[in-house]
Amino acid sequence: DTEVTQTPKHLVMGMTNKKSLKCEQHMGHRAMYWYKQKAKKPPELMFVYSYEKLSINESVPSRFSPECPNSSLLNLHLHALQPEDSALYLCASSQPYGRTSGRANTGELFFGEGSRLTVL
Amino acid sequence: KNQVEQSPQSLIILEGKNCTLQCNYTVSPFSNLRWYKQDTGRGPVSLTIMTFSENTKSNGRYTATLDADTKQSSLHITASQLSDSASYICVVTTNDYKLSFGAGTTVTVRA
Repeated sequence: DTEVTQTPKHLVMGMTNKKSLKCEQHMGHRAMYWYKQKAKKPPELMFVYSYEKLSINESVPSRFSPECPNSSLLNLHLHALQPEDSALYLCASSQPYGRTSGRANTGELFFGEGSRLTVL
Repeated sequence: KNQVEQSPQSLIILEGKNCTLQCNYTVSPFSNLRWYKQDTGRGPVSLTIMTFSENTKSNGRYTATLDADTKQSSLHITASQLSDSASYICVVTTNDYKLSFGAGTTVTVRA
């Protein structure tokens, strides 16, 4: 079982709705990520939080709003989405960049099972 | 530009047979290469990781190879099982922790 938990697993929303995707990890990781994945494509990076601060925003439209309330939680707030935003949204966590506890960070991402979003 | 190319795009094999997936990359400076397995509608799960000095790594029936000189990696699946049906993604990490994803190879194992 994955140690990164995402909820909900499936979400259907209209273009005027406001909803949120949630992600939780208890591995002590201090970097958390949101990826978007369309069918038969690799995951595309959206946001990176390192030590609860937003460190990377890959030019994501403002209708996606990330939030990192604490080191274990990551949210993605959704508002006024478009049908083309329908995709699998993956949360991941890792040790942050650089050396941690005397060992080099290998960059391994631990992914959640994803939230399947459908925008009508 | 850092790129990761995987081949074939998809393949179908009979249960019990072997197959090999390829990954070529132009990522630099190279730190490590991982193979992930992604079941349909699920998150990717790491299978193997190899650094510059490693040229082979096994995880059960999965064996990955790395040729850092030619910038090629392969993932060999031995005695395939129905549960091996999935997408296999090659991910290369640079020394400054940037990740480049391949498009994946979809493997279908048929009884």
